[in-house]
Amino acid sequence: GAVVSQHPSRVICKSGTSVKIECRSLDFQATTMFWYRQFPKQSLMLMATSNEGSKATYEQGVEKDKFLINHASLTLSTLTVTSAHPEDSSFYICSARDLRQDNSPLHFGNGTRLTVT
Amino acid sequence: GQNIDQPTEMTATEGAIVQINCTYQTSGFNGLFWYQQHAGEAPTFLSYNVLDGLEEKGRFSSFLSRSKGYSYLLLKELQMKDSASYLCAVLDSNYQLIWGAGTKLIIKP
Repeated sequence: GAVVSQHPSRVICKSGTSVKIECRSLDFQATTMFWYRQFPKQSLMLMATSNEGSKATYEQGVEKDKFLINHASLTLSTLTVTSAHPEDSSFYICSARDLRQDNSPLHFGNGTRLTVT
Repeated sequence: GQNIDQPTEMTATEGAIVQINCTYQTSGFNGLFWYQQHAGEAPTFLSYNVLDGLEEKGRFSSFLSRSKGYSYLLLKELQMKDSASYLCAVLDSNYQLIWGAGTKLIIKP
């Protein structure tokens, strides 16, 4: 079945540095990928919608200059957390939808646990 | 506004049956999803309903009534590994997923 690969699974970085998270659709093409963040004991919160070849659409309250999203191909989207701060420590999850089916389920990556020290 | 309601927490016994309800009010409807999420892991897809009725998939079944804005996830023959959060999500008219807060299911021996 369709698989989404997310890398890295865990990352620890120092305050002020940048971290890049990759999300790849392995056996399908995804024009749209979604980036979520989940704080402990809370539901998934959509951060942005990433469309191949165009600028990402950010949800209210999400700083686009801090969370840089690039979706350069139909199989790869990246999220870069710039000038990381301890409050950015969270679980980041990407998901993608198969182009072939309008109402297909989202397929999720395994998530990236970011810890900023 | 858009709203999805599901119970915060439920407890059930190993081997029993549990039903997790979800009610929704959204701008349009293009289907309802159920996802399972174990602590510290990404959600995994369980089911998708777009037409009224019951969809059965092994020990898990999902039901939808569009006129009532209601769905449930039925888990049979509960196993300890079923302890997880179960997320209800609706695809609205813009094909955006609206998420419920999730139901934490605790299975007791």
